[in-house]
Amino acid sequence: DTAVSQTPKYLVTQMGNDKSIKCEQNLGHDTMYWYKQDSKKFLKIMFSYNNKELIINETVPNRFSPKSPDKAHLNLHINSLELGDSAVYFCASSRFTGTSGRALGNEQFFGPGTRLTVL
Amino acid sequence: SQQGEEDPQALSIQEGENATMNCSYKTSINNLQWYRQNSGRGLVHLILIRSNEREKHSGRLRVTLDTSKKSSSLLITASRAADTASYFCATALSGTYKYIFGTGTRLKVLA
Repeated sequence: DTAVSQTPKYLVTQMGNDKSIKCEQNLGHDTMYWYKQDSKKFLKIMFSYNNKELIINETVPNRFSPKSPDKAHLNLHINSLELGDSAVYFCASSRFTGTSGRALGNEQFFGPGTRLTVL
Repeated sequence: SQQGEEDPQALSIQEGENATMNCSYKTSINNLQWYRQNSGRGLVHLILIRSNEREKHSGRLRVTLDTSKKSSSLLITASRAADTASYFCATALSGTYKYIFGTGTRLKVLA
């Protein structure tokens, strides 16, 4: 059983198109993330949701909109794709620990990645 | 600049040798984690060390954390060709779920 799965694995599209990437985790985790890994392998957090609530939104263009229909799913929709959006996008999940106002970082489980190529 | 920076950027060693990679960070953290990424794959968690710990072992891995110097090291002993991968440190900023990943060390173990 795949713990964190993403679809599609590869996505090739034209500039200006709108596309979505889906992520699902079956680990029972409360927190999910989207990361972008560029061509230099630099991994940067984009968004994080805890129990369907957005808790991290890192200066990402508003063309990127995450949606969490339930705590096992976190999808990423990208409007008006640009060349610079080409990258590998990773979904991840982790347990929630900590109390209100003070969270503790935990081990993250990553999906296999979605390689997005914008032509 | 980013929170975590690793050195060396690339490391090439012979099978059986030890590999050491270092990570530096800038602000207070809850914990520091090391991940491995094989080419074309997602990241896999290796080990987590909390801010009140100084050393941790897991199999052939040994991690140290020096909070006064804001640095950590990952030692892989008796390396194998299968250890060839990129290794990243990640820090969880105190009180947040925000993980900052380092630039990564590309390790190549030659058979």
